[in-house]
Amino acid sequence: GENVEQHPSTLSVQEGDSAVIKCTYSDSASNYFPWYKQELGKGPQLIIDIRSNVGEKKDQRIAVTLNKTAKHFSLHITETQPEDSAVYFCAASRSPSTLTFGKGTMLLVSP
Amino acid sequence: GAVVSQHPSWVICKSGTSVKIECRSLDFQATTMFWYRQFPKQSLMLMATSNEGSKATYEQGVEKDKFLINHASLTLSTLTVTSAHPEDSSFYICSARTGGEETQYFGPGTRLLVL
Repeated sequence: GENVEQHPSTLSVQEGDSAVIKCTYSDSASNYFPWYKQELGKGPQLIIDIRSNVGEKKDQRIAVTLNKTAKHFSLHITETQPEDSAVYFCAASRSPSTLTFGKGTMLLVSP
Repeated sequence: GAVVSQHPSWVICKSGTSVKIECRSLDFQATTMFWYRQFPKQSLMLMATSNEGSKATYEQGVEKDKFLINHASLTLSTLTVTSAHPEDSSFYICSARTGGEETQYFGPGTRLLVL
């Protein structure tokens, strides 16, 4: 089955800096890669997703890049703000199968 | 759009009792719903997948007789934890997606504490 590795497990940045979280996947047939943000005590919230026919997608301060050859994808957050502090999960699936999640990255943005 | 609700948001019960958690898609028809559990500082672990009108498919290691799932309509799925024990204490989260789409939308979660 699919295996998703996520790094780093924790990431501390200063407000205004950029943050990058990286994930690798094992199943070359996976074609859907969402990113979720989970605040303490809440359910995950979809922040951006990308499909395998696209190399990059951007939504304001958030961007995701996908390298199918290397089987890795990354989340980029620019101009970080304290409210970006949360746990971020990457996931992969061979649509329309179930999602396989990474272990999560705790992002702390200090004012 | 794409709002999923869960009820209750938290529940405390005595060991041996059963607890029912509801998951509703508020503004779309959810042909497929998923149930996850999450322990502190860990990732989401898929428990089961349910399609409307069909029996749920359980992940390996998840006891189907303990975690009863019903997906009787396109907007409602329920998870019943039968004869709950302290080790069942966890954060239970549902998600839903509509037919033909990959995107899963998650509910706010239900925290279960079994005393």
